[in-house]
Amino acid sequence: EPEVTQTPSHQVTQMGQEVILRCVPISNHLYFYWYRQILGQKVEFLVSFYNNEISEKSEIFDDQFSVERPDGSNFTLKIRSTKLEDSAMYFCASTNRGGNQPQHFGDGTRLSIL
Amino acid sequence: GNSVTQMEGPVTLSEEAFLTINCTYTATGYPSLFWYVQYPGEGLQLLLKATKADDKGSNKGFEATYRKETTSFHLEKGSVQVSDSAVYFCALSGASRGGYQKVTFGTGTKLQVIP
Repeated sequence: EPEVTQTPSHQVTQMGQEVILRCVPISNHLYFYWYRQILGQKVEFLVSFYNNEISEKSEIFDDQFSVERPDGSNFTLKIRSTKLEDSAMYFCASTNRGGNQPQHFGDGTRLSIL
Repeated sequence: GNSVTQMEGPVTLSEEAFLTINCTYTATGYPSLFWYVQYPGEGLQLLLKATKADDKGSNKGFEATYRKETTSFHLEKGSVQVSDSAVYFCALSGASRGGYQKVTFGTGTKLQVIP
C-alpha cells in the first residue's frame, strides 16, 4: 500500500537555525498537510496546501514557517529561525481529493531544538 | 470552531477485556469522523471512519458508530489483545475555508493491555 514518507525521522537543531522537514506524499494525491504534536499534547493542524498554494493555515503557522512543493514529489516544511517551543513531532499528510476524505499520515519527524 | 473531546487515559485493561473509549465532538455541518491509532514509535494510522450519521466504521475488531443525536463516536472492541496497546485519537474532518479539509484531533487516549 502506498505510504507517505518523511525524512529525517529525527532532527536535532540549535535554536535560531533553519530547518527543513521533508515529505513525499502518495504519488496521485493532490492535497497536502502539515501537523505537529508537542510531546504529550494533541495533534494540531498547521497548514494545508493545494494547487501550489496554501489553502489554509492555523495561527501556529506564523512568518517563521513556510511550505513548498519544489518538484513533483516532495513537500517541505521550513522553519526559518527555530525556537525551543518548536520542538515537536511533525506529521505530513496527503489525500487525493478534497471534502472529508481520510488523510494518510507519514511516520513523522521528531524535531528537537537545543 | 470544530472540537473533539475524548476520555482521558491511560486506560489499562487485561487481555480479552471489553474496550470503550468515549469520544464526542462539536462541529458545524456534516463532518466525517475517524479513529486514528499511534503505536509506540510510529506515525498515525487510520483505524476506521464514518462519513454520515448512523454509519458504523469497523476494522481489526474495533467499531464505532456515528451518532449525530448525541454527537458521539465511541470506539469499542469486544476483546482486546496486548498488540492493541497504543494511543487512540478520535478526529473529525470538516470543510474549512475554501472547502478544503483539515483534521481536528482529540487529545488521545493511551491504552495499555496487560497479559
